[in-house]
Amino acid sequence: GNSVTQMEGPVTLSEEAFLTINCTYTATGYPSLFWYVQYPGEGLQLLLKATKADDKGSNKGFEATYRKETTSFHLEKGSVQVSDSAVYFCALVELTGNQFYFGTGTSLTVIP
Amino acid sequence: EAGVAQSPRYKIIEKRQSVAFWCNPISGHATLYWYQQILGQGPKLLIQFQNNGVVDDSQLPKDRFSAERLKGVDSTLKIQPAKLEDSAVYLCASGRRTDTQYFGPGTRLTVL
Repeated sequence: GNSVTQMEGPVTLSEEAFLTINCTYTATGYPSLFWYVQYPGEGLQLLLKATKADDKGSNKGFEATYRKETTSFHLEKGSVQVSDSAVYFCALVELTGNQFYFGTGTSLTVIP
Repeated sequence: EAGVAQSPRYKIIEKRQSVAFWCNPISGHATLYWYQQILGQGPKLLIQFQNNGVVDDSQLPKDRFSAERLKGVDSTLKIQPAKLEDSAVYLCASGRRTDTQYFGPGTRLTVL
């Protein structure tokens, strides 16, 4: 079956620190991979996505590379800001299916 | 373009009462999803519509939950009767295709 596993949080970093949030997946086919971000009191927002192996998704300084050999899609940012404090969700959808599978989320707090 | 709209934003009810949530997707989006997000967890798909037809409702507790999208646009999700464990945020999402979803702000339900 399909599933997504994220590193557990919460993660607390100082401003300008380097961020990595690990995500690995299990899929029966060839999924598209996503990172969504959820700010306090809001719904999920699409942060970035990658649709095939070796694709790199990027947005707002965040990057993630679709690694088929390690079934991973780790989220990285070189220098985090206080405004990046949120919960980050890794997700996948199979190309032949319809259902999204979400990880449990990783809470990030960036302190000044 | 306007985003996904949901109402109400918050609802508090007692167990065994009924409640309904409303979602207006982004204009032109044929696919609509309802998710349940329990505190500290990732969203769990309840039901997916393509236009006004149900694509996947395998995780919808049909003894108490129902959803409809009569004209292929707005959708309502109903819980009757509510249980304590239904306390969660109910997220609506829409998309043009099944590989990207755009989320509304959610409805936070508290069952006492």
